[in-house]
Amino acid sequence: EPEVTQTPSHQVTQMGQEVILRCVPISNHLYFYWYRQILGQKVEFLVSFYNNEISEKSEIFDDQFSVERPDGSNFTLKIRSTKLEDSAMYFCASSDSAGEFGELFFGEGSRLTVL
Amino acid sequence: GESVGLHLPTLSVQEGDNSIINCAYSNSASDYFIWYKQESGKGPQFIIDIRSNMDKRQGQRVTVLLNKTVKHLSLQIAATQPGDSAVYFCAENNQGGKLIFGQGTELSVKP
Repeated sequence: EPEVTQTPSHQVTQMGQEVILRCVPISNHLYFYWYRQILGQKVEFLVSFYNNEISEKSEIFDDQFSVERPDGSNFTLKIRSTKLEDSAMYFCASSDSAGEFGELFFGEGSRLTVL
Repeated sequence: GESVGLHLPTLSVQEGDNSIINCAYSNSASDYFIWYKQESGKGPQFIIDIRSNMDKRQGQRVTVLLNKTVKHLSLQIAATQPGDSAVYFCAENNQGGKLIFGQGTELSVKP
């Protein structure tokens, strides 16, 4: 069964450092998303991406965040200068439809710990 | 503002019993809802969805009920098994893929 894969599974970084989280969406999907989940809390939308541009972003997704699809398979989330409060699980998701009835497939997540 | 919330943070059931997990939403304009299961250390996994033009939808061992009058959603799991132990989230699919998740209910199944 096709799946969304994410790397690294866990990254520990110092505050102020740049972090790049990587995702390989399902191959025929065209819509890509990043969500995050702070420990013990609900999953929160960060950004959606389609046709090489951001479709929508939340207020969490400030200037410190950026996304990129550098090639035909990867989708990355960059945090320019990490803060303690960026510590969370980051989930990548993809869909073959942007329609409100399209199913999102989530990866296993990348745990980011900022010290 | 928009919010999707859950009534109970934890639910413990005996193996073989039926489980009911509830969810309240506040946006009366919402027209599509999804239930996700999240096992420890994993990403959310789609269970079942329902559109607002329906009030009930059944899957394999799972049923989702939607009551638009009181803006309430529930997930029923029949014959709950230990493998059903997880956190269950309801989510509203808003604007084409932007999911608004509820807080989550942790389901524990006792053998």
